[in-house]
Amino acid sequence: DVKVTQSSRYLVKRTGEKVFLECVQDMDHENMFWYRQDPGLGLRLIYFSYDVKMKEKGDIPEGYSVSREKKERFSLILESASTNQTSMYLCASSSGFLNTEAFFGQGTRLTVV
Amino acid sequence: SQELEQSPQSLIVQEGKNLTINCTSSKTLYGLYWYKQKYGEGLIFLMMLQKGGEEKSHEKITAKLDEKKQQSSLHITASQPSHAGIYLCGAFMEYGNKLVFGAGTILRVKS
Repeated sequence: DVKVTQSSRYLVKRTGEKVFLECVQDMDHENMFWYRQDPGLGLRLIYFSYDVKMKEKGDIPEGYSVSREKKERFSLILESASTNQTSMYLCASSSGFLNTEAFFGQGTRLTVV
Repeated sequence: SQELEQSPQSLIVQEGKNLTINCTSSKTLYGLYWYKQKYGEGLIFLMMLQKGGEEKSHEKITAKLDEKKQQSSLHITASQPSHAGIYLCGAFMEYGNKLVFGAGTILRVKS
């Protein structure tokens, strides 16, 4: 079974902290995505990556950065966490574009206090 | 604004009733996906549609992509409490490699 694993299910951080959310997939997928999910807004794409060291901004990249040093790992970084970044964060991976399923992790519920 | 518009935003149906959820885009869709999510959990893949006019079914859930590939509908027949959750449509849009999603439809099924 394809597995996308997010490092934490629940996380509580303080305002101003640097926060790392980790995502690992075990199927050698080229593409990885980070989303945040908020009530009424659905999934909004933060960043995505189609290759190692490659990254593309999604729809809401402000306040976030990403790192993909290895194919299997895609990290989302909150440079200085703020309360408006309290959200559910979901990572996904896929083996291609347009014709392949995207697999999701279980999500990380981040609370910034 | 959302590139994919889902309707309705939420739905409450009596067990046994049929229902339809719609997903609409102003652009041509390439690879339209339907996912289901239980509250606070990850997304579970339901099905993917690629060709205009394509229709797929899984158990009591049927999804169709219209001929122009700009709208998809998800139909549940004889709803059950196990169908409750959030249904999301997602798609690779016309340009680029972005996989975007609609805002989701919250489905509640009353016993």
